[in-house]
Amino acid sequence: QKEVEQDPGPLSVPEGAIVSLNCTYSNSAFQYFMWYRQYSRKGPELLMYTYSSGNKEDGRFTAQVDKSSKYISLFIRDSQPSDSATYLCAMRRNSGYALNFGKGTSLLVTP
Amino acid sequence: SAVISQKPSRDICQRGTSLTIQCQVDSQVTMMFWYRQQPGQSLTLIATANQGSEATYESGFVIDKFPISRPNLTFSTLTVSNMSPEDSSIYLCSVEGSAGGQETQYFGPGTRLLVL
Repeated sequence: QKEVEQDPGPLSVPEGAIVSLNCTYSNSAFQYFMWYRQYSRKGPELLMYTYSSGNKEDGRFTAQVDKSSKYISLFIRDSQPSDSATYLCAMRRNSGYALNFGKGTSLLVTP
Repeated sequence: SAVISQKPSRDICQRGTSLTIQCQVDSQVTMMFWYRQQPGQSLTLIATANQGSEATYESGFVIDKFPISRPNLTFSTLTVSNMSPEDSSIYLCSVEGSAGGQETQYFGPGTRLLVL
């Protein structure tokens, strides 16, 4: 079993929809959680960073962490065509920089 | 966050040859990382490159296949040696960073490699 599981999609939604992206993990040592956005032919871009259970909001984006269930989510409100990208979840242990990534979910927002 | 550039952005190579990928950062950083992103797979860490010491390789990756240099605090190279079609992938460098006071990584644009 991989340490981080993420449904690769693809996920296609109409413009304005609420998007829910999810990852599960098996290692309880993971304490810090990130979401990266990767546009086609570009490197991953850090989108959200959380380290406690609960919600963190930044504009149209909300990151949710449930450590008891080992489950993290990213919600995108009022989705736009410019949100079309691959979204990667990543997590790390309590110390150090090493990151464990999910495979990424491909999102397409259609006008 | 740091601005990271990679050269080349893409290349097509013949099997058995080697390719060196360069990573340049616009600020001094202690830690640089090299990843591989194969189609349909997770980003996988190849090695961590600290200036002034040997690179630390992850399980499944060896120095003979992926030699790394780190001559200063703003530059690193990754060489993919004796390439085979299985080495076709995107290779990304990243650097240490901070988000909300916590350690994270920032990524370069990647080098797209196709081995024929």
